[in-house]
Amino acid sequence: GAGVSQSPSNKVTEKGKDVELRCDPISGHTALYWYRQSLGQGLEFLIYFQGNSAPDKSGLPSDRFSAERTGGSVSTLTIQRTQQEDSAVYLCASSLQGQGFPTEAFFGQGTRLTVV
Amino acid sequence: GENVEQHPSTLSVQEGDSAVIKCTYSDSASNYFPWYKQELGKRPQLIIDIRSNVGEKKDQRIAVTLNKTAKHFSLHITETQPEDSAVYFCAASRTGGGADGLTFGKGTHLIIQP
Repeated sequence: GAGVSQSPSNKVTEKGKDVELRCDPISGHTALYWYRQSLGQGLEFLIYFQGNSAPDKSGLPSDRFSAERTGGSVSTLTIQRTQQEDSAVYLCASSLQGQGFPTEAFFGQGTRLTVV
Repeated sequence: GENVEQHPSTLSVQEGDSAVIKCTYSDSASNYFPWYKQELGKRPQLIIDIRSNVGEKKDQRIAVTLNKTAKHFSLHITETQPEDSAVYFCAASRTGGGADGLTFGKGTHLIIQP
């Protein structure tokens, strides 16, 4: 597809279970971001991948959260031992980054995670 | 890292009036400042952006101004319409090495009163 694709679109999980959220960025985009958005709130930065550089993990809220990006393309955000406060919409975005100015970041439709 | 402050958190204006949303940033190396609009239940989408080599950019009823010295930038919407009701996010970013990506403000809920 032409846009950023996230799966699943909705995920309901039991407290204590692990979940994996997937993001397929736009082909050729070197930068990939994960954000978390709680109901009616802003975009909380989680992690940022740029090319082959070490990712910026400074936004991950706890060591239960991790993310990887394989082959510079698809990314997976993993949440271990989920808690109710993890319930939110998880948004992925990608953009072209490199020499000169950054460019527009395109967002996926998000994964709505509900921990019960 | 970068810190972006956005004001106000909620803005209510009469249809046809203008709306102004302001943001400040902390990292003088930031050189790209996009604005995103998020309608209820939808993903954020870019509406306008400005780069640090210009001071103002306009697209129909929307304009953005940038003051690099003061490290603040603003979104101006003129002749507001009901479809402008949404949450607006400002952001700052920079190129080059290092970890900083795209840092967002906390958003402004714009309400257009009929």
